[in-house]
Amino acid sequence: EPEVTQTPSHQVTQMGQEVILRCVPISNHLYFYWYRQILGQKVEFLVSFYNNEISEKSEIFDDQFSVERPDGSNFTLKIRSTKLEDSAMYFCASSESTRGPQHFGDGTRLSIL
Amino acid sequence: QKEVEQNSGPLSVPEGAIASLNCTYSDRGSQSFFWYRQYSGKSPELIMFIYSNGDKEDGRFTAQLNKASQYVSLLIRDSQPSDSATYLCAVKSSGGYNKLIFGAGTRLAVHP
Repeated sequence: EPEVTQTPSHQVTQMGQEVILRCVPISNHLYFYWYRQILGQKVEFLVSFYNNEISEKSEIFDDQFSVERPDGSNFTLKIRSTKLEDSAMYFCASSESTRGPQHFGDGTRLSIL
Repeated sequence: QKEVEQNSGPLSVPEGAIASLNCTYSDRGSQSFFWYRQYSGKSPELIMFIYSNGDKEDGRFTAQLNKASQYVSLLIRDSQPSDSATYLCAVKSSGGYNKLIFGAGTRLAVHP
């Protein structure tokens, strides 16, 4: 069964450094998302992306965050200057349509020191 | 503020019993509803989705939706110890694009 793949599985970074989290969505999906989950808390929406544009973003997704689809398969989340509070699991998801279910990757655990 | 509420649990059921998980949501315009299973330290795994009022069955799982009451439930029949996980209710927000709003999840423990 097709799946969303994310790399790396774990990223450890010094505060203030830039990180790029990578995702390969399911190949026939057109809608891409990033969510995060701080330990012990709810899964929170960050951003949705369609047709090479951000379609919606949350209050969390400030100027430190950016997303990109650099080629036909990858979808990336960049955090420009990481903060301690960025430590969380980051999940990429994709869906075939606006109404269809979103399928999640295994996540990247981001640890900021 | 659009909210999705779930009892945190744990909900403890014996093996072979029916587990009933409930969820309420505040966004009256929501049209799409999802149940995800999340094992500790893992990602959400899609279990069921439902768009219309009534019941939808898939194997041991049944999702129930009542839009008038803004209520979604998940029934797991013949519960197995491997079903022990946190079950997340997610609601697609109306008025936006495809944002999912998640509840905090209900922890289910199935004991032999």
